[in-house]
Amino acid sequence: SAVISQKPSRDICQRGTSLTIQCQVDSQVTMMFWYRQQPGQSLTLIATANQGSEATYESGFVIDKFPISRPNLTFSTLTVSNMSPEDSSIYLCSAGQEYNEQFFGPGTRLTVL
Amino acid sequence: KNQVEQSPQSLIILEGKNCTLQCNYTVSPFSNLRWYKQDTGRGPVSLTIMTFSENTKSNGRYTATLDADTKQSSLHITASQLSDSASYICVVSGQAGTALIFGKGTTLSVSS
Repeated sequence: SAVISQKPSRDICQRGTSLTIQCQVDSQVTMMFWYRQQPGQSLTLIATANQGSEATYESGFVIDKFPISRPNLTFSTLTVSNMSPEDSSIYLCSAGQEYNEQFFGPGTRLTVL
Repeated sequence: KNQVEQSPQSLIILEGKNCTLQCNYTVSPFSNLRWYKQDTGRGPVSLTIMTFSENTKSNGRYTATLDADTKQSSLHITASQLSDSASYICVVSGQAGTALIFGKGTTLSVSS
């Protein structure tokens, strides 16, 4: 298993600003993922963070809005850019050695005013 | 279209009672099915994982079943406790290397 931490745990931001969320894993992992969970909804995959290359984004998500970095095998960041109230959500990081095995972080609760 | 449907959407039970949550999926090909528990304000934590050949898997008071023929799974919680109050999410893994498919979850409230 893997233990995953995220920072910040929550934040309240003004529209038009950007927030960077950090995800730290306690061991080296092959794959890291970023999800969004809107109120009352299930998790939606934003992108797969690839170490040493650009992230792979799912349909409906673009790099300009959600730039992702993955400098090494234990760390990744997700930036929510030019935020609007519609970006208010919980953002979750997960990690594992493959798609079928993912361990989740505690999430970052974002509120955009 | 690959989908995971869960029922009921929400459930309220008394402490000590049993309950069963349902999950139907249309994912094909099928690799495995997981049940996650998500406490409020926390990330999902895996309870059970089952592959095609497994019919049942237990984790303490949690027992999951899988019928791969009918593409149905259930999560049975025995002797519920207040700490069982959470969202329970059914997640199906399809073809290797593809994204997980999440259900919307069942919100369980256990009251005293």
